[in-house]
This record gives sequence, C-alpha cells and structure tokens, in this order.
Amino acid sequence: DTEVTQTPKHLVMGMTNKKSLKCEQHMGHRAMYWYKQKAKKPPELMFVYSYEKLSINESVPSRFSPECPNSSLLNLHLHALQPEDSALYLCASSQVWDRVFTEAFFGQGTRLTVV
Amino acid sequence: TQLLEQSPQFLSIQEGENLTVYCNSSSVFSSLQWYRQEPGEGPVLLVTVVTGGEVKKLKRLTFQFGDARKDSSLHITAAQPGDTGLYLCAGQTYGNNRLAFGKGNQVVVIP
Repeated sequence: DTEVTQTPKHLVMGMTNKKSLKCEQHMGHRAMYWYKQKAKKPPELMFVYSYEKLSINESVPSRFSPECPNSSLLNLHLHALQPEDSALYLCASSQVWDRVFTEAFFGQGTRLTVV
Repeated sequence: TQLLEQSPQFLSIQEGENLTVYCNSSSVFSSLQWYRQEPGEGPVLLVTVVTGGEVKKLKRLTFQFGDARKDSSLHITAAQPGDTGLYLCAGQTYGNNRLAFGKGNQVVVIP
C-alpha cells in the first residue's frame, strides 16, 4: 500500500470560515509534509513533520496551522484565508532512516478555492 | 535560484516518437526522484535513483542518473497519449530533508 489519502478533494470556503484539510497514510512513514501548488508551478514546501514533531515551517502565514495527531495523520487548519491562498494543497509522506529522508509519496491533493 | 533546472519546459510530439527530457543542477544529490503529474492531481512517483550512473527502466521509460549525481534524464520510447503529463524531477541534497523540485517538463503526445 503506497497510498496517501487526502480529504476533501475539493473545498470552497469564505474568507471568514474555518476549515481543515486531512491527510492519512498507513505506510509506517515517520515524515509527513504539506505542499502548496499554484497552476503551472512546482509544489512549494510549507511544513515538514518528523516523528510527529514540526521540523520545518517555511515561513508560512499563521492563518495556516498544521497538526500531527499521530504518525498516520496530518491536518492543516485554515482560518481567515485570502483569495490568493486558492491552490492545490498536497500532502506527502516518506520514511526516515537514520535522519535520511527517503522518496516522498503524494496524495491526490485538495483543490482549495477561497471566495 | 532554481536548484533543479528542467528542459525543455514544453514538448509536443506525435504518438510513436521517442523523447528525452533533462533535469540538471550544480548540486550533488543523495537521491533524485521523477514524478508524473496530471492536472488537478497529486504527483505520482515513477522512480528513485540513488547511485551515480544508475539506469532504471519502467516499461518504455528509461531513467538515468548522472555519474556525479548532479543530473538526470528521462527517455520515453514510442510515446503514447497516456504519457502526456507534467514530469517533475525532485531531489534531496545531503543532510537536507527538503525535497527540491524542478519546474517540470510538460509533455504532450498527440494521437
């Protein structure tokens, strides 16, 4: 099983709403990631969790709040977003061996539209 | 500065033709991955290369990692419409848990 599952697949939210994106993997991976991808651009790293601890925050605005409840789950809480935050949000996971991160497996993404 | 440069950015070919796309860097990578992505979907991992000079084959796709582990190529033999997509290379430099992405090679195979 090399599957990373993201829900929902599509989300439309207003600028005053609070919503959450969810990601789940059952590959035993101990690193999980959030990426943001705009049209015709490569994915941009937002956050990295390693062993359920936040290890990288790429200067992401506080209106994006990640959470890793356990080794299989990763959430991204959204609050007071702007229309320019509309994008494809990708979750990924990888194994960690002796502080070396292996290849990442991506979910299908959540297409977020902020209105 | 883009860590990984992919070329050509866009390539359109007829079904049955061969093509090669490239991923280049001045940095040395501990490993390099190739992904294919379709519009609105997540990238799908095709291959990981870790050893300099390594060649891996996946049906009609041949991946090569440069001897110095700074570059890679993807060759598709007898391309089919199902090969259409954005091909992304991504790599990790030593001691770095960030995956650097190139901008991608957009491949269109015309039936």
